[in-house]
Amino acid sequence: EAQVTQNPRYLITVTGKKLTVTCSQNMNHEYMSWYRQDPGLGLRQIYYSMNVEVTDKGDVPEGYKVSRKEKRNFPLILESPSPNQTSLYFCASSFQGTGNQPQHFGDGTRLSIL
Amino acid sequence: GQQLNQSPQSMFIQEGEDVSMNCTSSSIFNTWLWYKQEPGEGPVLLIALYKAGELTSNGRLTAQFGITRKDSFLNISASIPSDVGIYFCAGQDGTASKLTFGTGTRLQVTL
Repeated sequence: EAQVTQNPRYLITVTGKKLTVTCSQNMNHEYMSWYRQDPGLGLRQIYYSMNVEVTDKGDVPEGYKVSRKEKRNFPLILESPSPNQTSLYFCASSFQGTGNQPQHFGDGTRLSIL
Repeated sequence: GQQLNQSPQSMFIQEGEDVSMNCTSSSIFNTWLWYKQEPGEGPVLLIALYKAGELTSNGRLTAQFGITRKDSFLNISASIPSDVGIYFCAGQDGTASKLTFGTGTRLQVTL
């Protein structure tokens, strides 16, 4: 089954404790992206990757890092999480980032930073 | 970044009614997309629009890509309880690889 898988689905942690949210897709998609969803703000893009070893900032990259060492994986790293990063996070992928390629989303990771 | 104005913010309708929601942008997009999100899940693509003026249907859903490329609407006909969810519009700039989302329309359907 074609899917985007995020782990963990839920995490409660404390300020400053480094964490990583993993994202994996099995569709051989080139393009992957991370979003955060906050009430009243819709989804906002954090980082995206056009292909292996190619990443770029979205609208709200501050406080986040990403890496794309393999095509299928695109982890989101919070080196020193803060409470304002409490949010619902989604990973998405598509065949290509340019042109008309709709994105497929994972089921989300709810992070609470205390 | 770009902003998409989506309206209405929420709708409470009775089963069988038709629904209409729309998105407007301050800048043009090459692609308009409509997604639905249910509790505990990620957004699921409903309709993708690729050309200005395009009108596309998916079952009871119909969406149009505005002629100016700055707006789009989604209609749902004869709503049913499983239509409940949050509907998002999204615009894609093909060169920037970025998807800009609207703030969502929360739809509630009563029996």
